[in-house]
Amino acid sequence: KAGVTQTPRYLIKTRGQQVTLSCSPISGHRSVSWYQQTPGQGLQFLFEYFSETQRNKGNFPGRFSGRQFSNSRSEMNVSTLELGDSALYLCASSPDPTDTQYFGPGTRLTVL
Amino acid sequence: AQKVTQAQTEISVVEKEDVTLDCVYETRDTTYYLFWYKQPPSGELVFLIRRNSFDEQNEISGRYSWNFQKSTSSFNFTITASQVVDSAVYFCALSETNTGNQFYFGTGTSLTVIP
Repeated sequence: KAGVTQTPRYLIKTRGQQVTLSCSPISGHRSVSWYQQTPGQGLQFLFEYFSETQRNKGNFPGRFSGRQFSNSRSEMNVSTLELGDSALYLCASSPDPTDTQYFGPGTRLTVL
Repeated sequence: AQKVTQAQTEISVVEKEDVTLDCVYETRDTTYYLFWYKQPPSGELVFLIRRNSFDEQNEISGRYSWNFQKSTSSFNFTITASQVVDSAVYFCALSETNTGNQFYFGTGTSLTVIP
């Protein structure tokens, strides 16, 4: 089975812009979670989707949003980018929310 | 308060030495899951093991072994005869059913194996 794929792998944006990141889960996996990883804050949970519904949301401002499509693919959007949004954004998928999460390679976002 | 604590920020060992990575968790849930992930320099988190709260049996997989002790809320990870390829950041994580199985990650332990 193909693993979790994330596109793009690298992204450079400027402050104030918005960005959309994409995640394709492992085939058959219906749960998708997003994490932000930075050297200072470590791995922080953003949100989780299961069957197109957001189940959990981390402590991030409303500029961070996401959605899941009927084929389980997920996107996350960050509007009005700030310098502090520079991070590695990781997507993980699992068959259902109680199962092991398998991670993609991440999207490295740099905000200038 | 941190739900998962990995007190060791960085560890360096010489190749072939054994090394133990500590993980202490905090939960009031009776049903929960514990995980270890490895993050090599490439950045992708690689799943290593999953343990549920009802299974305290230790596990061995090749050079890797895990010691789960509910009495001390610890889930430690030992690498025997370490190799250079083991150099990575290792994360311990907790998933609780009463929080919808949201994952809580520790801050990670960076392991460097010196040849």
